[in-house]
Amino acid sequence: KQEVTQIPAALSVPEGENLVLNCSFTDSAIYNLQWFRQDPGKGLTSLLLIQSSQREQTSGRLNASLDKSSGRSTLYIAASQPGDSATYLCAVLRGTASKLTFGTGTRLQVTL
Amino acid sequence: DVKVTQSSRYLVKRTGEKVFLECVQDMDHENMFWYRQDPGLGLRLIYFSYDVKMKEKGDIPEGYSVSREKKERFSLILESASTNQTSMYLCASTKRGKASTDTQYFGPGTRLTVL
Repeated sequence: KQEVTQIPAALSVPEGENLVLNCSFTDSAIYNLQWFRQDPGKGLTSLLLIQSSQREQTSGRLNASLDKSSGRSTLYIAASQPGDSATYLCAVLRGTASKLTFGTGTRLQVTL
Repeated sequence: DVKVTQSSRYLVKRTGEKVFLECVQDMDHENMFWYRQDPGLGLRLIYFSYDVKMKEKGDIPEGYSVSREKKERFSLILESASTNQTSMYLCASTKRGKASTDTQYFGPGTRLTVL
């Protein structure tokens, strides 16, 4: 059974810092890995999708990497801003496609 | 932009009531999903549908059923609500069908409380 773990569960950083969020998964038979953002009491917004054949994806200040063989992904956020404060979730698309397995998220707070 | 809407943001029901949660997407997406989200457990898939009248169980289908009579609408039904179904319920959709590897678009969620 696929399990997805995100460490740390919570993180507080001052504005302007670069930071890394970690995601690990137990079964490397995935189609892709996705990073989402969730604001309090809201739905999820897709940030980046990395196909299993890719090593990384970039969007603005965000960069996500994937090492399928070791079961790890990282989300790098450059020059963090207070507006980046949210919960970040990673999810892997399983071998039986369409079904995502989610991690429990990292709650990020960026302070002034 | 893809828009996924859910009928209620907050809902309070009593134990034993039949509860309907509605989800509508406006982009002609094939797949639709229902998840619940609980602290410490993350999002867990309840059911998904890859076409009208087609459905497939997710990881935690017990106590739930679904209905998809029209492509744009996917309903989650709690036949007899119980307190352990108090949760945040999230609907999602993807453009392509059953074996889709597309990104999922989420609705805003319904916070259901069962008393």
